[in-house]
Amino acid sequence: LAKTTQPISMDSYEGQEVNITCSHNNIATNDYITWYQQFPSQGPRFIIQGYKTKVTNEVASLFIPADRKSSTLSLPRVSLSDTAVYYCLVGDERKTGTASKLTFGTGTRLQVTL
Amino acid sequence: GAVVSQHPSRVICKSGTSVKIECRSLDFQATTMFWYRQFPKKSLMLMATSNEGSKATYEQGVEKDKFLINHASLTLSTLTVTSAHPEDSSFYICSARSGSGANVLTFGAGSRLTVL
Repeated sequence: LAKTTQPISMDSYEGQEVNITCSHNNIATNDYITWYQQFPSQGPRFIIQGYKTKVTNEVASLFIPADRKSSTLSLPRVSLSDTAVYYCLVGDERKTGTASKLTFGTGTRLQVTL
Repeated sequence: GAVVSQHPSRVICKSGTSVKIECRSLDFQATTMFWYRQFPKKSLMLMATSNEGSKATYEQGVEKDKFLINHASLTLSTLTVTSAHPEDSSFYICSARSGSGANVLTFGAGSRLTVL
């Protein structure tokens, strides 16, 4: 399983763009990169997923360079409600059962203030 | 979208009793579910992989006799914390692959267990 490394914490002001980078140097050819958001005392929530280049949805963008050894989650114009922990995970969709398990790294604790 | 329901959301029990936590996939079938444990301000720690119709696979260091997992149907997995002690107090979260995309896990809301 590819190990991921993220900054432990980040601070931002409301209205700013926030970029959180995740390193996954030993990502495998068939691994996808998925980001989750977790609020206190809640289960994580899917944000975005990608394999290469750029993916954008209604809440975020995901930038993946050609070597795929890192990825950057971009949150445009954050608000106070974006204060949460953000996790990046990598894994192979083809795997099933126990082999399909995903392990969480430390995550990045984003604090948004006024 | 895919929904995973986890119950109860909070439970307080006396030391020595057993507690069962249910995890249901409401609108999809899940042959595999995952159970995580999370301590305050820490990351999620994978405890075990629950496989429908077969024994669960436990991560290293997780006592299978302490944390009994049963995955009797394609929509239900249960975690039973047996003979609970205060050190078992934690936030337990289940998840399942909804099949809506590669590696997209849908998580339950979590169950906070407090053992007195």
